[in-house]
Formats: sequence, structure tokens, C-alpha cells
Amino acid sequence: GQQVMQIPQYQHVQEGEDFTTYCNSSTTLSNIQWYKQRPGGHPVFLIQLVKSGEVKKQKRLTFQFGEAKKNSSLHITATQTTDVGTYFCADSTGNQFYFGTGTSLTVIP
Amino acid sequence: DAGVIQSPRHEVTEMGQEVTLRCKPISGHNSLFWYRQTMMRGLELLIYFNNNVPIDDSGMPEDRFSAKMPNASFSTLKIQPSEPRDSAVYFCASNAGMGARQPQHFGDGTRLSIL
Repeated sequence: GQQVMQIPQYQHVQEGEDFTTYCNSSTTLSNIQWYKQRPGGHPVFLIQLVKSGEVKKQKRLTFQFGEAKKNSSLHITATQTTDVGTYFCADSTGNQFYFGTGTSLTVIP
Repeated sequence: DAGVIQSPRHEVTEMGQEVTLRCKPISGHNSLFWYRQTMMRGLELLIYFNNNVPIDDSGMPEDRFSAKMPNASFSTLKIQPSEPRDSAVYFCASNAGMGARQPQHFGDGTRLSIL
């Protein structure tokens, strides 16, 4: 079945540093969604990307969809302690839905 | 607006017992999803319903697992008999539309421990 791989699995950064997580697929994605899960919490929808090469921003977060629609990235500028959590990409091609393996972000004050 | 409501929040039971997890989706949402999350396997889609009809149950681990959606406002996930390897957090999510192309809204989850 479809697999969506994310790297890195874990990331520790000093507060104020930037952070990027990457989502890769071996097949073309229809669209990609990004979610954030705080420790002990549930996934919360952040954004959906649909178009090839699409770039969307939410304050310090920048989301990109690759030109070939096989990869996506989430970049956080100047991390804050509130950014702590696990970030998941999710592929919703057809009737299937697959979450990526997630990147766990720790921000050191 | 009320979000997705799951019960119980925590469940601890002995292996062999029947476990029933419950979910109330957001009113007006017509798709409902059951997920299981573990450290080893991450977040896995078990089954999803559209308009109360199961569309894809290929993620259901085995016959011990069953899910129902008798009406638009209620779904259950049942494990019988339960085993220690079923210990996980089980999430229910809902959205408006067919499949997963719309953002999913997750409940707080049920933390299940099978002893």
C-alpha cells in the first residue's frame, strides 16, 4: 500500500532555531494534509496542499508541495516552546488515507 | 460547537474481556474514521464510514475487531476478546465530505490498556 515517509523522526532544537520536516512518497499524491499533535493530545489539522509547487504560510509555518507532488515540507521559523509536538503529513489519495511516520519536535528553552 | 466526543477516555481491562469504544462525530459530518496509535506502528487507519456505511475496513487488524455506525451520530469499535497487544490510543475522527479529502477533526482518544 501507499507509504508516506517522514524525516527526521526526532528533532531537538534550541528555542529560536528553525525546524524543517520532510514528507516523501514513492507515488504521486493527490493532496497532502499536515497535522500537529501535542504530547498527550490528538492530531489537529493545520493545512492542506493540493497544487503542484504550492506554498502556504501560517505565521511562522511555511508549507510546500513539491513540483512532482511526491514530497512536501513544513518549515518553522524561530521555533518557540509552543511548537513542541509531533508533526504528521497525511496523504488522502482516493479513498485511502495514510499518515506519515511523524516528526517529533523538542524545543529547548 | 462540540467536537468529536469519545468515551471512555481511559480503559484498563484484563485480556479476554470485551472492550467497546464509543464515538460521537461532529453534527453534520458524514464521514467517520477510527484510528489506532502506538509507538511502534504510529497512527493507523482502521476503518472509515461514509453516511453510516463502512467504506474501507482493510486496516482492521483481525476478526476480533468490529465497528458499527448505527446512525449518523454514533459509532462503536469493539474488541472481543481483547489481548495485551491491543493496548494503544484509539482515536475517532470525522469530517464533512467523502473520504479524507476534507480536514479531519479528532476526538481526545481512548487510552486502552489490556493487562
